[in-house]
Amino acid sequence: AQTVTQSQPEMSVQEAETVTLSCTYDTSENNYYLFWYKQPPSRQMILVIRQEAYKQQNATENRFSVNFQKAAKSFSLKISDSQLGDTAMYFCAFMKPSSGAQKLVFGQGTRLTINP
Amino acid sequence: SAVISQKPSRDICQRGTSLTIQCQVDSQVTMMFWYRQQPGQSLTLIATANQGSEATYESGFVIDKFPISRPNLTFSTLTVSNMSPEDSSIYLCSVKLAGKQETQYFGPGTRLLVL
Repeated sequence: AQTVTQSQPEMSVQEAETVTLSCTYDTSENNYYLFWYKQPPSRQMILVIRQEAYKQQNATENRFSVNFQKAAKSFSLKISDSQLGDTAMYFCAFMKPSSGAQKLVFGQGTRLTINP
Repeated sequence: SAVISQKPSRDICQRGTSLTIQCQVDSQVTMMFWYRQQPGQSLTLIATANQGSEATYESGFVIDKFPISRPNLTFSTLTVSNMSPEDSSIYLCSVKLAGKQETQYFGPGTRLLVL
């Protein structure tokens, strides 16, 4: 079974700083998808970024980028020029694409606080 | 992008009663899922809602406790039956949209408190 580990329960940075959230996962699969979701206090789960394992190029979405290290099974999220609105829980998630179950397996989350 | 709505957004219920949560999507959907997020925890998949047939439940979740319906492609309900305080959680539906097969998008969630 796949597992996802986020080793940082909480992080706090000043506005405009850069912050990196860590995520490691365990799988025997070669092809899969990885995601970062953001959950602000409103509790809505918002997709931040996704990475396809067969793509070597790291995904980027504006201020958000990932460092995907397939051999190390590591998938960190970097937030540049952090903003107050980035304050939220961040969840790393794994999904194995197949014709069967396509559930997301989530890590335990990292609570990120951006301070003014 | 799609609009995914859930009703109710929150509720307070007495133990022993049941609550039905609705999820509606305004776009074409290929798959629908129901997740539970217990207080301070991550999300756990309850089941995959299948159109016109019984849902596919994950280990630890059973149909008698969490009956699910999906009468059409864009609508699903989750019922939390015979509730106890341990059922106090956020319940979220998620969908895979046609043309965006490998990504799940979430509804706003339903916050349930059982007294």
